Amino acid sequence: DVKVTQSSRYLVKRTGEKVFLECVQDMDHENMFWYRQDPGLGLRLIYFSYDVKMKEKGDIPEGYSVSREKKERFSLILESASTNQTSMYLCASSTQNQPQHFGDGTRLSIL
Amino acid sequence: QKEVEQDPGPLSVPEGAIVSLNCTYSNSAFQYFMWYRQYSRKGPELLMYTYSSGNKEDGRFTAQVDKSSKYISLFIRDSQPSDSATYLCAMTSSSNFGNEKLTFGTGTRLTIIP
Repeated sequence: DVKVTQSSRYLVKRTGEKVFLECVQDMDHENMFWYRQDPGLGLRLIYFSYDVKMKEKGDIPEGYSVSREKKERFSLILESASTNQTSMYLCASSTQNQPQHFGDGTRLSIL
Repeated sequence: QKEVEQDPGPLSVPEGAIVSLNCTYSNSAFQYFMWYRQYSRKGPELLMYTYSSGNKEDGRFTAQVDKSSKYISLFIRDSQPSDSATYLCAMTSSSNFGNEKLTFGTGTRLTIIP
């Protein structure tokens, strides 16, 4: 079974802090994705990556950046956290012709 | 108008009933369709995926796609309290769908009453 592990289940940070969310997958998948999930808005894609050191903007990249230095790890960075970035963050991975598999999410609160 | 529309519910049905969950979409290029189940405080879990039109069955779950109507359904037979969750539909136009971003519905919250 595919396992996607997000480093924190719950996180509380302050406005203006730089925040790192980590995601690791154990299936050697090429593709990794970061979403945020908000009530009534569903899942919205922030960034994705097809390979090491590659990244593509999703639908809502503003205020975020990503890093993929190793194939199994994909990090989401909030450069200067703001209260409107309070959300559930979900990481997913996939390979060719296999749908995305998700981690259990990080519930992030920005105070 | 959203590309994918899904009734958010909540939907409550008695145990043992047949449940029908639906999504409509506007992009006729979509050809791969997925259903995810999400329990409270967990990430989405892939249930099934189908290509183009037709039915696919897996145990108590049946996924149905009607491309002419741009309508997909997930049926759950003999529903159990453990089926209580939010169900998300997702779709993409690419045949290489593992490499492509998905378009998600907002999810339907389902409760099975014992």
